[in-house]
This record gives sequence, structure tokens and C-alpha cells, in this order.
Amino acid sequence: GAVVSQHPSRVICKSGTSVKIECRSLDFQATTMFWYRQFPKQSLMLMATSNEGSKATYEQGVEKDKFLINHASLTLSTLTVTSAHPEDSSFYICSARIFSGRGRRDTQYFGPGTRLTVL
Amino acid sequence: AQSVTQLDSQVPVFEEAPVELRCNYSSSVSVYLFWYVQYPNQGLQLLLKYLSGSTLVKGINGFEAEFNKSQTSFHLRKPSVHISDTAEYFCAVTPVQGGSEKLVFGKGTKLTVNP
Repeated sequence: GAVVSQHPSRVICKSGTSVKIECRSLDFQATTMFWYRQFPKQSLMLMATSNEGSKATYEQGVEKDKFLINHASLTLSTLTVTSAHPEDSSFYICSARIFSGRGRRDTQYFGPGTRLTVL
Repeated sequence: AQSVTQLDSQVPVFEEAPVELRCNYSSSVSVYLFWYVQYPNQGLQLLLKYLSGSTLVKGINGFEAEFNKSQTSFHLRKPSVHISDTAEYFCAVTPVQGGSEKLVFGKGTKLTVNP
């Protein structure tokens, strides 16, 4: 149980194009999903917290107009990198938290990640 | 705010040797604690977690960790490692309530198991 998928696993695009990454919780409902970015040999950096049916909360320094997040249902969140540039190349990982029903901050389960390369 | 310190960025060990990966945290409020493992080019997999109860927590793949509140530590241990345990290990905390709900990660420890 508690499986999170991401699609695509790898994407290469040209500078100036937009790329959409999907994050799905396969066997549970996730009211909250998180989007992280990981640079080579570094830890994860939280970009934004996505709540179903409401606007995402972005971390300081993350451009909300560049990284569009939509959490349309309890099992799907999408991250769109708009007008991508080479500096946006990175490993993007999402996570989803099981809804405990008691407001308890329980475990985050992570997707396998998406490698974005912008040429 | 919370912070997590993983004292060793790299830990090389020989196969079948014991290993301890150290994690210390700082927080003014109670926290939940987690260890995640990341294999190359993959996402994070939950190894184990401490939410409440017994301070000795057993996880997958033979790993265990002990929560020590007085020392604000949550060290990860395995009595005998395998080549397949070679990976990056991340310690993380999140406050039990109040404040930000995000996970705060340490910088990671790369475990390399040599034959």
C-alpha cells in the first residue's frame, strides 16, 4: 500500500517550452501533496505544498508563476514548469500524505521522481 | 523552526559489518521522525518512523533506529549490511502540531558497502 507514481520518469525539452509532471496516489487519498526539487548530491528542497481544492503554498524563493501546481483531486497533483530554461533542469519528486482523519501529520510517501533536462 | 543534522556525509563499510548513521535534530516543539532511503535515480522510500510509543523502532530491510529525546537524536543502525544497502539515507522531522507541516530533511548520508 501507499504507492505514489510520477509521470513521466524522464523528460527532455527545449528551452522555452512548458512541461507537466503528474503525481498520483494509487491506493489512498491524499489531501496534501508536496513537490520537492533535488540537485545532484544534495538533499530535497521543498518547493510547495499542494492541498486538494485550494491554491498551493509556495516556499520562499519559489516562483509560483513559473512552477504551476494544480491539485485537482484527492489522488492527483500536477506540476507545470512554464517556459523552462536550462537552470530548471533537476530531479523533481512529489510526495503524498495519507489522510488520517484526525489532522495528524503522518507519513509522507514519495514518488519515484522525474528527471527534467532542458536543452 | 526545525533543523536536522546528519553528522556524516559519507560512510564506507565492508559487507556484513554493522553500521550506524547518525542524526540529530533541533526543535522547540515535539516532532515525528523519519528515515528515508534513496537509491540512485529513484525517489525516497520510507525505512522507518517514530511517531510515539517505544523509542526503538524497527523498519524494513533489517534497519532500526532509536529515538533519544534527551540527546535529540534518532540514529539509524543495522547489525550486518549488504551490498544492496548502498544508497543515500535521509533523516527528516516534522512538528507534531502547529507551525509548518513540511518535512525538514538532513543533508543525507551516502552509505557505501564494499565487498
